[in-house]
Amino acid sequence: QKEVEQNSGPLSVPEGAIASLNCTYSDRGSQSFFWYRQYSGKSPELIMSIYSNGDKEDGRFTAQLNKASQYVSLLIRDSQPSDSATYLCAAWGYSSASKIIFGSGTRLSIRP
Amino acid sequence: DAGVTQSPTHLIKTRGQQVTLRCSPKSGHDTVSWYQQALGQGPQFIFQYYEEEERQRGNFPDRFSGHQFPNYSSELNVNALLLGDSALYLCASSLGRAGSVGYEQYFGPGTRLTVT
Repeated sequence: QKEVEQNSGPLSVPEGAIASLNCTYSDRGSQSFFWYRQYSGKSPELIMSIYSNGDKEDGRFTAQLNKASQYVSLLIRDSQPSDSATYLCAAWGYSSASKIIFGSGTRLSIRP
Repeated sequence: DAGVTQSPTHLIKTRGQQVTLRCSPKSGHDTVSWYQQALGQGPQFIFQYYEEEERQRGNFPDRFSGHQFPNYSSELNVNALLLGDSALYLCASSLGRAGSVGYEQYFGPGTRLTVT
């Protein structure tokens, strides 16, 4: 079992709709969770971090965390073509010491 | 505010050669982590440097080594290059060790290494 799992996609969403990206993690001790956006050929860019159960909103982005279910999600409202990218979910906990564990990413495509 | 910088941007090496990649952390950050990202995969942790010491290492052979300088910049060295070492090498900087509140990491633009 991978430590952080994501559906590889591609996830195709019409422009203006809500894109929903999901991630599960295996280490119940994980405490910090991150969403990175990575455009093709570029490096990952941190877009959201979440540490407590519930929702955290930042502009068009909402991160949701459910530690009981070991589930993290990212919602993107009013999706734009510029949102087309690979979204990486990452987790950190004391058991992993210094390293952040990344999923393989979900490729999101926003169709006009 | 200067972000994370890496050099070179691209590099082509021959199997068996050695390579050195460089990273300068974001202003105010003191911790540097190195990752290898193969095509279609998430970044894989190589090691992290804090206070000029390697704090933790991922599942990479001893051919991968590093260094952190007093100004917090860092180098990644890879010896005896293999074809499988071809990847995007990412440097990420953060403030403090893991366990700090937040512990957000910010990536540099990466170095694309091709081994032929």
